[in-house]
Amino acid sequence: QKEVEQNSGPLSVPEGAIASLNCTYSDRGSQSFFWYRQYSGKSPELIMFIYSNGDKEDGRFTAQLNKASQYVSLLIRDSQPSDSATYLCASPGGSYIPTFGRGTSLIVHP
Amino acid sequence: DAMVIQNPRYQVTQFGKPVTLSCSQTLNHNVMYWYQQKSSQAPKLLFHYYDKDFNNEADTPDNFQSRRPNTSFCFLDIRSPGLGDAAMYLCATSLGGDGNQPQHFGDGTRLSIL
Repeated sequence: QKEVEQNSGPLSVPEGAIASLNCTYSDRGSQSFFWYRQYSGKSPELIMFIYSNGDKEDGRFTAQLNKASQYVSLLIRDSQPSDSATYLCASPGGSYIPTFGRGTSLIVHP
Repeated sequence: DAMVIQNPRYQVTQFGKPVTLSCSQTLNHNVMYWYQQKSSQAPKLLFHYYDKDFNNEADTPDNFQSRRPNTSFCFLDIRSPGLGDAAMYLCATSLGGDGNQPQHFGDGTRLSIL
């Protein structure tokens, strides 16, 4: 069974710091990963998509994928209170039905 | 703007009284999904349609049904809601294919059971 593991947190960081969110997965065949942000009471919103080893940067967000270690992470630079949310890692695993992690709660305090 | 729209945003029903949640999309995506999400948990897939092909997850209760009358619309019917069915229900769409297409979520319907 494909599994995607995330620490539920909460991860608490001060405003302006780098927040590092991590995700591990069991399916070695997984080629791509999505990061979704979900504010409390709202639906998930896609913020990053990565499918190759290495880093992908988009503004303050950087996704990192290490297929050998089956590890994907999301770095948020210059964290803002508005980044406080739950971050869901999802692996399509080669199909159109992704497996979601349980999400990591991030709190950015002023 | 192309989008996924869920109605209603909030639904209150009585224990055992049938309820229908709706989802529409203007993205012309092949796949439509229904998820149930409870507090601090990952979204749990209930069903999905790839075009007209219906796929039911093995652990989806029989109490839950779905309909997709056309490409744009999909409905979730809960025949006899129990207290444990109180949750956020999320509709999502994607192009399908090999898995490199992200899902697009509606705003969700928050279901409460009295």
